[in-house]
Amino acid sequence: DIQMTQSPSSLSASVGDRVTITCRASQTISGSVSTYLNWYQQKPGKAPKLLIYDVSTLQSGVPSRFSGSGSGTDFTLTISSLQPEDFATYYCQQSRSTPYTFGQGTRLEIK
Amino acid sequence: QVQLQESGPGLVKPSETLSLTCTVSGGSVSGYYWSWIRQSPGKGLEWIGYIYYSGSTSYNPSLKSRVIMSVDTSNNQFSLKLRSVTAADTAVYYCARDHSGSYPMDVWGQGTTVTVSS
Repeated sequence: DIQMTQSPSSLSASVGDRVTITCRASQTISGSVSTYLNWYQQKPGKAPKLLIYDVSTLQSGVPSRFSGSGSGTDFTLTISSLQPEDFATYYCQQSRSTPYTFGQGTRLEIK
Repeated sequence: QVQLQESGPGLVKPSETLSLTCTVSGGSVSGYYWSWIRQSPGKGLEWIGYIYYSGSTSYNPSLKSRVIMSVDTSNNQFSLKLRSVTAADTAVYYCARDHSGSYPMDVWGQGTTVTVSS
């Protein structure tokens, strides 16, 4: 299985801050046509919501303050200017091969 | 737009079989893969497996010996059975639309809590 490791596990920040979450895969998740790294946002009591796929492609309807980058095994999710609705838990996930695997999550809290 | 809704018992006894169904509305099961994912405090998000509308499956090796998935195209539903459950199977179970890697799991059900307890 491909292991996904996120850091930090939790993060305190203020509205307007720029924050970065990192995700590392235990092996490459690049394929012939894409790199299969996705980011999800989850709020308490809700299902995960797809934010970004293929490392950096924003899902329809996701605000442009979210961005993703990286290659090979190291990836980042950046929120350029935190809004109140962004306080949630974020997960990276690889869909390069089954079993799909998720990072352990990064809980983003209000400072 | 496509919506998914999980249904099934919220309480299952140890050693019995957990059975859940996901009903697809606003779209068709045909043409897609359909995944089950669970989330427990101890293990985070765990992909259980997926089923293609044709019936082919891929299961997580960690659960493969206990999992059966099926699809009912006539009723626009797909199902999960997990046998010989223990307390470690207590979790929120989600169904999701999948694209087998070409595109991620993009539509999720709201989740259903299953507790394994006598």
